[in-house]
Amino acid sequence: KNEVEQSPQNLTAQEGEFITINCSYSVGISALHWLQQHPGGGIVSLFMLSSGKKKHGRLIATINIQEKHSSLHITASHPRDSAVYICAVWNTDKLIFGTGTRLQVFP
Amino acid sequence: EAGVTQSPTHLIKTRGQQVTLRCSPISGHTSVYWYQQALGLGLQFLLWYDEGEERNRGNFPPRFSGRQFPNYSSELNVNALELEDSARYLCASSWRAGSGNQPQHFGDGTRLSIL
Repeated sequence: KNEVEQSPQNLTAQEGEFITINCSYSVGISALHWLQQHPGGGIVSLFMLSSGKKKHGRLIATINIQEKHSSLHITASHPRDSAVYICAVWNTDKLIFGTGTRLQVFP
Repeated sequence: EAGVTQSPTHLIKTRGQQVTLRCSPISGHTSVYWYQQALGLGLQFLLWYDEGEERNRGNFPPRFSGRQFPNYSSELNVNALELEDSARYLCASSWRAGSGNQPQHFGDGTRLSIL
């Protein structure tokens, strides 16, 4: 079993829909990162959080340390949000990555 | 501000050869991380350097090695290349990450193909 699990693996949405991507982990962590990888391969760090909730534009990330679970929400999704979203946790001096959620948003 | 830069962007090698990949971090960042992303697989942690020292390495054989220079740039060396080394190698940098509480900034990667 992977130490970091994401769901769903693939997600298709219509423009404007509210999107939720889930991440569960089984190890102790000091921080959780959400990353975005575009089709060209470039990776952008979206959020880093260790408690509570963070918001940046249309993106919201939450974490529940007791339940070892985090969610990434996208409000009013847009085709430019199409990408792979990756959850990663910092454990024993390294990032452990989930396998990613591929999101496609259609106009 | 210049981002993380990696070179070369694409490299083709044959089995048994050796390769060196290079990474320049964002100015002021002292930590450099290397990751492997094989086709169809997730990102795997390779190495973490900070202040010129290796802080941690992932579950990779010793033929994967690297170093960090006084200007914080870094090299990843892979000896005796094998077919399964074909992957994108990504470098990231951050401020010193004592507990992983620093966001990492990624380069565009080097795509390594082994024939």
